[in-house]
Amino acid sequence: SQQGEEDPQALSIQEGENATMNCSYKTSINNLQWYRQNSGRGLVHLILIRSNEREKHSGRLRVTLDTSKKSSSLLITASRAADTASYFCATGGSGNTPLVFGKGTRLSVIA
Amino acid sequence: DGGITQSPKYLFRKEGQNVTLSCEQNLNHDAMYWYRQDPGQGLRLIYYSQIVNDFQKGDIAEGYSVSREKKESFPLTVTSAQKNPTAFYLCASSPGQGYHYGYTFGSGTRLTVV
Repeated sequence: SQQGEEDPQALSIQEGENATMNCSYKTSINNLQWYRQNSGRGLVHLILIRSNEREKHSGRLRVTLDTSKKSSSLLITASRAADTASYFCATGGSGNTPLVFGKGTRLSVIA
Repeated sequence: DGGITQSPKYLFRKEGQNVTLSCEQNLNHDAMYWYRQDPGQGLRLIYYSQIVNDFQKGDIAEGYSVSREKKESFPLTVTSAQKNPTAFYLCASSPGQGYHYGYTFGSGTRLTVV
């Protein structure tokens, strides 16, 4: 199955700094989604970006998509301790197949 | 409030025992999914259902079974054939099929073999 791969695996920053996570994937996609998971909890959908979009914003989140490089980035600006979580990208390709998730980036925001 | 309810939160299974994980949604979503998450790993798809009375195998369906008799419910049975069932199980739903929509997840069931 095609799969997004996040980079870095883990990231530790100070509160107030920006956090950038990257996702690379292997085959053509229809859209790419980002999710957040707090420890021991379910995933929460953050943002969906379609293959014909280059950038999307939601509050302090900014997502970019470069289909020529098969990559996406998630930027969290002015991070807070509450942003501490794992972040996953998920991709969907053709047909009606379910989302395929990467292994995630563990973000720690230190107060 | 609409959402997905998974129960129980924690489940312990003895060797050779079948156990069933519950997943109920009141979002009126057509599609439902079961994923397995192991430490340091991403989510792996076990089974999915895009319509009532129909379901398809995912990447790691061996040792698991499901049913979809009602739109709201998609229970997962972990059978004794699943040799390494200790994991965190996540149920999700979406308004339509596949990847076109964001998924809503339950809070998960942590299964441990004792």
